[in-house]
Amino acid sequence: QKEVEQNSGPLSVPEGAIASLNCTYSDRGSQSFFWYRQYSGKSPELIMSIYSNGDKEDGRFTAQLNKASQYVSLLIRDSQPSDSATYLCAVNGPYSGGSNYKLTFGKGTLLTVNP
Amino acid sequence: DTGVSQDPRHKITKRGQNVTFRCDPISEHNRLYWYRQTLGQGPEFLTYFQNEAQLEKSRLLSDRFSAERPKGSFSTLEIQRTEQGDSAMYLCASSSSGGAPGELFFGEGSRLTVL
Repeated sequence: QKEVEQNSGPLSVPEGAIASLNCTYSDRGSQSFFWYRQYSGKSPELIMSIYSNGDKEDGRFTAQLNKASQYVSLLIRDSQPSDSATYLCAVNGPYSGGSNYKLTFGKGTLLTVNP
Repeated sequence: DTGVSQDPRHKITKRGQNVTFRCDPISEHNRLYWYRQTLGQGPEFLTYFQNEAQLEKSRLLSDRFSAERPKGSFSTLEIQRTEQGDSAMYLCASSSSGGAPGELFFGEGSRLTVL
């Protein structure tokens, strides 16, 4: 049973600070890793994907992957009140002939950015 | 470019009734997914279609649940003999064959309340 673990939070940071969100996963065969943002009452929205070890930066967001430690993180620099949402970590793979395309999500971490 | 469309957005039903949800994916996307999300949890995979073929189905999906995607376009998810435990947000998502399987575009969801 593939599992994805996240601290449920809430994580509270002041505006302008760096928010750090963490995720661990159980299946060493996982190949793809994603961060989704979900505002209250809305559906999840993809914000970052990462497939190889190291860092991937996109604007104020940086995703970090360490497959040896089975660890994924998301850093949000210069946090804004509009970043307040639940952040969902998701993994999938290994892929096999069109199967195993399902995403396994963590429970999410609620982030609050205080003005 | 319209996003993923789901209908109805809200459904209240009595225990034992059947309900059907419809999902219209982004037009050029050939992959379609159904997930279920309850309060405080991440989305949970239900089933996956590539074109009209249902390639994966969660073991959590009991015989009361059935999904179809005739002609590889829209999809329906039917729940027969609903139970109170079926109360949840049912999320449809689609993705392009040119993208990673986990890069999903979610609809706004269909919220089911079983009384």
